[in-house]
Amino acid sequence: SQQGEEDPQALSIQEGENATMNCSYKTSINNLQWYRQNSGRGLVHLILIRSNEREKHSGRLRVTLDTSKKSSSLLITASRAADTASYFCATDVGTSGSRLTFGEGTQLTVNP
Amino acid sequence: NAGVTQTPKFQVLKTGQSMTLQCAQDMNHEYMSWYRQDPGMGLRLIHYSVGAGITDQGEVPNGYNVSRSTTEDFPLRLLSAAPSQTSVYFCASSYGGLAGGRETQYFGPGTRLLVL
Repeated sequence: SQQGEEDPQALSIQEGENATMNCSYKTSINNLQWYRQNSGRGLVHLILIRSNEREKHSGRLRVTLDTSKKSSSLLITASRAADTASYFCATDVGTSGSRLTFGEGTQLTVNP
Repeated sequence: NAGVTQTPKFQVLKTGQSMTLQCAQDMNHEYMSWYRQDPGMGLRLIHYSVGAGITDQGEVPNGYNVSRSTTEDFPLRLLSAAPSQTSVYFCASSYGGLAGGRETQYFGPGTRLLVL
């Protein structure tokens, strides 16, 4: 079963707008990670937030984590056409950081 | 560094055939994993390894074998291919551990497998 569930499944916005994707999970986690996948390519790590953190920033990315609600959100500000990709959240529940459980992903399309 | 490499990029098999998907990394990572990605399903963990000589099952291990004789290589074997194994397979590696960014997984480009 999928630990993470993402919402929305698809999102289409205009360049310059902000994009927000949400992720919910079911069990306690060590950390939650966001990955990006361009069409036909492998996944690329974007950002990691630990279970004792509430918010983290990296460039145009902002991630929040609410462990009481078992949810996270990824905000991409001032989006660009090059941000068009699928975005996945992944939760790490193992004792050694080796077992990621992925959500089904959000397909983001940024229109020029 | 080449990072994580996978071969082949694409493979067509007939039902019942066996094959090995190759994965190698040159980052001296201890942890390596195999995932499969099906449409609308996200990635699911098949097998993983926390070091040479140590492997364990993930979420969907049936029909697959792995071994880890060296730190660099982590091949995935399909014993008797079935149409249900048609998927895109990704190998990933990481340093391992729960601090200092060691949890970040680096993915290969994937192998597209079609079983007829």
